[in-house]
Amino acid sequence: KAGVTQTPRYLIKTRGQQVTLSCSPISGHRSVSWYQQTPGQGLQFLFEYFSETQRNKGNFPGRFSGRQFSNSRSEMNVSTLELGDSALYLCATRQGFGTDTQYFGPGTRLTVL
Amino acid sequence: AQTVTQSQPEMSVQEAETVTLSCTYDTSESDYYLFWYKQPPSRQMILVIRQEAYKQQNATENRFSVNFQKAAKSFSLKISDSQLGDAAMYFCAYDTTSGTYKYIFGTGTRLKVLA
Repeated sequence: KAGVTQTPRYLIKTRGQQVTLSCSPISGHRSVSWYQQTPGQGLQFLFEYFSETQRNKGNFPGRFSGRQFSNSRSEMNVSTLELGDSALYLCATRQGFGTDTQYFGPGTRLTVL
Repeated sequence: AQTVTQSQPEMSVQEAETVTLSCTYDTSESDYYLFWYKQPPSRQMILVIRQEAYKQQNATENRFSVNFQKAAKSFSLKISDSQLGDAAMYFCAYDTTSGTYKYIFGTGTRLKVLA
């Protein structure tokens, strides 16, 4: 089975721009979660989608949004980028909504200049 | 709110030796899941081991085993016969069953394996 894929792997943007990241889950996985990883804050939960609906949300400003498509692929959007948004964004998927094990993608490294 | 603490920012182990990484957590729930994930320099988070809180038996996966002490809220990872490929950041994670279903991660322990 193919693993979780994330595109692009690297992004460089400037302040004020917006960015869209993509995550394709393992086949059969219907839940997609997004995490932000920074050296200072560690791994922080952004949101989780299941069956095209946002089920959980972390403590991030409204500039961070996401969506999930009928094929379970998910996108994450960050508008009006700030320097502090520079991070590794990880996507994790699991079969159902609940306590299944999450499997992570390789991440997208976003640099905001 | 649940919290996960990894008090060792960095650990070193000699190749072929055994090392134990510590993790403590705080929760008022009785049923939950605990995980250890490994993140090598390639950045991909890889599941190492999973423990269900209602199971008394400690989980084991080849050279990796846990010491799960539910009353003490402790979940340590033991790596036996350490290999160079074990060098990575190790994260302890808690998964609540209360309906929020999001992982809470510790701050990580960087493991160095010395040849």
